[in-house]
Amino acid sequence: SQTIHQWPATLVQPVGSPLSLECTVEGTSNPNLYWYRQAAGRGLQLLFYSVGIGQISSEVPQNLSASRPQDRQFILSSKKLLLSDSGFYLCAWGRTGFNSPLHFGNGTRLTVT
Amino acid sequence: AQSVTQPDIHITVSEGASLELRCNYSYGATPYLFWYVQSPGQGLQLLLKYFSGDTLVQGIKGFEAEFKRSQSSFNLRKPSVHWSDAAEYFCAVGIGSNDYKLSFGAGTTVTVRA
Repeated sequence: SQTIHQWPATLVQPVGSPLSLECTVEGTSNPNLYWYRQAAGRGLQLLFYSVGIGQISSEVPQNLSASRPQDRQFILSSKKLLLSDSGFYLCAWGRTGFNSPLHFGNGTRLTVT
Repeated sequence: AQSVTQPDIHITVSEGASLELRCNYSYGATPYLFWYVQSPGQGLQLLLKYFSGDTLVQGIKGFEAEFKRSQSSFNLRKPSVHWSDAAEYFCAVGIGSNDYKLSFGAGTTVTVRA
């Protein structure tokens, strides 16, 4: 069966420090991968998605970047965190076509202080 | 632009009572519609989805949703709520012909009182 792992579960970082959040998927190949951010009362905002290795699409201009160095690995990064980067970050994988749902990781709670 | 609106930010319901969560979408074509549930501090789990066909769809945990094209709505219902249904619920619409992205509503938090 397929599983998705996200880590760390929680993270407290000072303003200006770098960030690296990792997401890996097991049990499937060539998944579509997604990074969402959830801010209180604002639902889920799609940040990045990837349909293949090295293929990254950004949905909103921001302080973050994403990379997909391997088929089942998706990394969210920042060189210098801002206070506004605080939130709950969710990684998800899915298949081409909406017949299969998105499968979400358990998320990373990031607090920038 | 495609969008999803969940008018109710927070709903409180008594255990055993019925629940209805509203969702309205704005999308030019026939939408792919979803409801997800999120327990505190967790990821999201799919409750149900609508693509075509019967406009009343059944999901997991006793939930159902009805697609009404004339009202651009996809409301989620449960006849009798259990305490374990306390969570945040998200409506989403599938967008993009090649990218298969989901656009989510802001969510509705459900509190269940004894």
